[in-house]
Amino acid sequence: AQKITQTQPGMFVQEKEAVTLDCTYDTSDPSYGLFWYKQPSSGEMIFLIYQGSYDQQNATEGRYSLNFQKARKSANLVISASQLGDSAMYFCAISGNTDKLIFGTGTRLQVFP
Amino acid sequence: KAGVTQTPRYLIKTRGQQVTLSCSPISGHRSVSWYQQTPGQGLQFLFEYFSETQRNKGNFPGRFSGRQFSNSRSEMNVSTLELGDSALYLCASSDDGTVNTEAFFGQGTRLTVV
Repeated sequence: AQKITQTQPGMFVQEKEAVTLDCTYDTSDPSYGLFWYKQPSSGEMIFLIYQGSYDQQNATEGRYSLNFQKARKSANLVISASQLGDSAMYFCAISGNTDKLIFGTGTRLQVFP
Repeated sequence: KAGVTQTPRYLIKTRGQQVTLSCSPISGHRSVSWYQQTPGQGLQFLFEYFSETQRNKGNFPGRFSGRQFSNSRSEMNVSTLELGDSALYLCASSDDGTVNTEAFFGQGTRLTVV
């Protein structure tokens, strides 16, 4: 069985600062994918970044980077230069051989001026 | 390229009724997955369709069903609605739905059962 753990229910960060959202996972699948999604209050799940288990380099997408530490089974999201519009729920998810996404409980990020 | 489109955005239904939700995936994507999001249970996988066939199914009762058409559009149906079915239903679209492909979500359908 696969499991995602997000231990931070809520995080605060000042505008223009960097913030790290934690995610640890558990899986027995040899090949898997790790995802981060942003969900604003409107409800839409916005894809941010993806990391494959065999990727050697950490994934980056603009201000988002994924700090992938395979031995520690962690896939933390780093948001650089936070903006007010980054305030939202953030979900970490894993996919494995069943091809479905297993989500964590999410972290609510609030960016203040 | 248009994103994933879910209709309707909002629905209010009465207990015992049935409801049909629609999802149009990104053009060219063949896999459509459905998820239920509630405050208590979080995000839970319902089922996945690929090329008109259900490929995976989550742990939901038989009242929840779905289908996919030849143009990859998908519908999910919930019969005999219960109050606990009130949730945000999200549809995800991906190229082939395998572990190494990105999944993109629609805006969701918010269902309220009264």
